[in-house]
Amino acid sequence: DVKVTQSSRYLVKRTGEKVFLECVQDMDHENMFWYRQDPGLGLRLIYFSYDVKMKEKGDIPEGYSVSREKKERFSLILESASTNQTSMYLCASRRDRVTDTQYFGPGTRLTVL
Amino acid sequence: QQQVKQSPQSLIVQKGGISIINCAYENTAFDYFPWYQQFPGKGPALLIAIRPDVSEKKEGRFTISFNKSAKQFSLHIMDSQPGDSATYFCAASAAYNNNDMRFGAGTRLTVKP
Repeated sequence: DVKVTQSSRYLVKRTGEKVFLECVQDMDHENMFWYRQDPGLGLRLIYFSYDVKMKEKGDIPEGYSVSREKKERFSLILESASTNQTSMYLCASRRDRVTDTQYFGPGTRLTVL
Repeated sequence: QQQVKQSPQSLIVQKGGISIINCAYENTAFDYFPWYQQFPGKGPALLIAIRPDVSEKKEGRFTISFNKSAKQFSLHIMDSQPGDSATYFCAASAAYNNNDMRFGAGTRLTVKP
């Protein structure tokens, strides 16, 4: 079974802090994603990485950056956290570009005070 | 922009009943339509998916019905069980850009014993 793990289940940060969310997958998948999940809005793509050191912006990249230095690890960075970034953050991985199934981690619920 | 519209937002069904969740999409290039199931505290997991070359796909108690001309697809859960209580997301993506999966807003299903 594919396993996608996220470093924290719950995180509380203050406005202006730099926040790192870590995601690790154990199935040698090429593609990794970061989404945020908000009530009534479903899942919205923040960033996508199709290979090490490669990234593409999703729908809502503003205020976020990402890092993929190793194939199994994809980090989401909030450079200066704001209250409107309070949300559930979901990481997902996918084997490669020609497959469709995405495997999700359990999520990190981030609260920015 | 909400390219996939999902209804209802919430649904309460008696044990043994049929749960029906509907989705409508706008982009005629979409050619992959998955449904994800999310339990509290967990990430979404792929439940069942369909491509537009068939009008129906069944896996156990779960069936996707697909109407290409109406640009609609729905999830039917037969003989609903309390263990089916979860949030369900429909989604859609296109082969030319399968990094960009569009999710519906989600339906919270409660199956009463």
